[in-house]
This record gives sequence, C-alpha cells and structure tokens, in this order.
Amino acid sequence: GAGVSQSPSNKVTEKGKDVELRCDPISGHTALYWYRQSLGQGLEFLIYFQGNSAPDKSGLPSDRFSAERTGGSVSTLTIQRTQQEDSAVYLCASSLAQPAGRAEQYFGPGTRLTVT
Amino acid sequence: KNQVEQSPQSLIILEGKNCTLQCNYTVSPFSNLRWYKQDTGRGPVSLTIMTFSENTKSNGRYTATLDADTKQSSLHITASQLSDSASYICVVTFLTGANNLFFGTGTRLTVIP
Repeated sequence: GAGVSQSPSNKVTEKGKDVELRCDPISGHTALYWYRQSLGQGLEFLIYFQGNSAPDKSGLPSDRFSAERTGGSVSTLTIQRTQQEDSAVYLCASSLAQPAGRAEQYFGPGTRLTVT
Repeated sequence: KNQVEQSPQSLIILEGKNCTLQCNYTVSPFSNLRWYKQDTGRGPVSLTIMTFSENTKSNGRYTATLDADTKQSSLHITASQLSDSASYICVVTFLTGANNLFFGTGTRLTVIP
C-alpha cells in the first residue's frame, strides 16, 4: 500500500489478556515509531526503531509493553496482562531517516484498544 | 521542562469564517515546528513545517506563523470548510536526541454550516 497501515483498527479485550498490534510502514522507511493517544491527551511517544533495532525505548510505560521489528519492515507492539488504563489509540508512524524532527513522519490510522 | 501548549482546547466556527489557533512552547534548543491535522479516526497529517529562521509558511488555506523569540506559533485557517473539522496538533522538535518530538494536546475545531 501507499501509506502506513495498522491492524486491527479496533480491538476490545478483557483485562489481563495479551494483545498484539501490528504496523506496516511505508516501503523503504527505515525509521518506525509507536505512539499512544489517550482521550483528551497529546501523543505520547512509546518506542522508536531504526531498522530492526530500538535505540530509544524510553517511552514504554511498563515492562508489560514490548515491541519488535523484523526485516526492517513490519513492527508488532505487544501489551501483556492488559489493564484498563491501557485503553487508547495506538498510532504508528514511519519516516525515511533520522533524526525524527528532520524527516517527515507519516502516520497510520491507529488501532483503538479498549480494555474492559 | 519542555512543553507545548495549545489554545483554545476547542473551537466552533461557521463555515466560511476564518480562525486562528495558538501554540506556545518552551522547547529549547528548538529545531522546527510542525502543524498536523488529525481527522477523527485517522492518523495525523502534516500541514506545515517551519525552522527557527522561517516566520510564515502557507499550505492552501492554512497559514502558519512562527515567532521564535517569543516561542509562539499560530495556524490561521481562511474561509473555513466543513472538511476543516478536525484536531490540529502543534509539534515542536528538540534539537538533539533520538526521539525529540513534543506534541501539544491539540485544538478541536468544528465547522458548522
């Protein structure tokens, strides 16, 4: 596809379950970012990948959150033992190069996660 | 603490009217400032980007201004259309660091007929 895609678009899960969110970046984009957007809040940085490595994981809120990227392309954000406060829209973005501020970031449509 | 604050939080205007959204920041040293438009249920889309040396940047009916001395930016929308209804997010880039973007909480604009 031409843009960043994310799946699923919506996910409802029970508290305590694990979830996996997927991001397909634009082909050729080496940098990939995960953000979380809670209701009424600004985007919160979670993790950044350059290729398959994650030089900056500083935004992950707890050890229940992890992410990986394979083949320099698809990335998966995993949340273990979900809690109600994990409910949010999870956005993925990709760009051609770092640093982030100098390269245009293209965002996916997001995955809306609801933990009941 | 580096912060980006936007005002107003929400705004309702009549179709065809103009409006101005504000962004104040404390991020320093500053690299650039972007305005994004985020439609409901979609990811943000970049409207403009300005470096510290630029005072204004236009994209169709959207014009962004920047005063790096006072650390203020505005986004002016001319002759608003119903499709302008969205959240507008100000993003300021810190000069260094692997991830150095600071996001405002956005202004929710509603254009009514």
